[in-house]
Amino acid sequence: EAQVTQNPRYLITVTGKKLTVTCSQNMNHEYMSWYRQDPGLGLRQIYYSMNVEATDKGDVPEGYKVSRKEKRNFPLILESPSPNQTSLYFCASRRQFYPTDTQYFGPGTRLTVL
Amino acid sequence: AQSVAQPEDQVNVAEGNPLTVKCTYSVSGNPYLFWYVQYPNRGLQFLLKYITGDNLVKGSYGFEAEFNKSQTSFHLKKPSALVSDSALYFCAGSYQLTFGKGTKLSVIP
Repeated sequence: EAQVTQNPRYLITVTGKKLTVTCSQNMNHEYMSWYRQDPGLGLRQIYYSMNVEATDKGDVPEGYKVSRKEKRNFPLILESPSPNQTSLYFCASRRQFYPTDTQYFGPGTRLTVL
Repeated sequence: AQSVAQPEDQVNVAEGNPLTVKCTYSVSGNPYLFWYVQYPNRGLQFLLKYITGDNLVKGSYGFEAEFNKSQTSFHLKKPSALVSDSALYFCAGSYQLTFGKGTKLSVIP
């Protein structure tokens, strides 16, 4: 089954404790991205990647890092989480050379930073 | 650059009545427009998209959307609402998929 998976689905942590949210897709998609969803703000893009070793900032990249060492994986790293990063996070992927293609989303990771 | 806006935070409609969820866009060049739905505690599901061609786009679950270039709109519609359509709806557009803020649809039995 074609899918985007994220782990963990739920995470409660404390300020300053480094964490990683993993994202993996099995569709051989070149393009992957991370979004955060906050009430009243919709989804905002954090980072995106057009292919392996090619990442770029989205609209709200502060406080986040990403890496793309393999095509299927695109982890989101919070080096020093703060309470304002409490949010619902989504990973997504699509074919790179078809920008009109549908983006497929993971199930989401609900992060709480205390 | 492209942006999308959803002017209504919430839409209430009676079951069986037609529903419309509004979206307007601002774009330089050809618009790529999408509708996604998010059910409670679930991820985003693709409903439909407009790339080019017919202004009326048909999608999943009986939804359709009308692209109107002169009004720069891409409203989501369904002829007869179901209680199960109650969810959060997002309009999105552009290469990097810029999202609107979402519209909560409540279908009242």
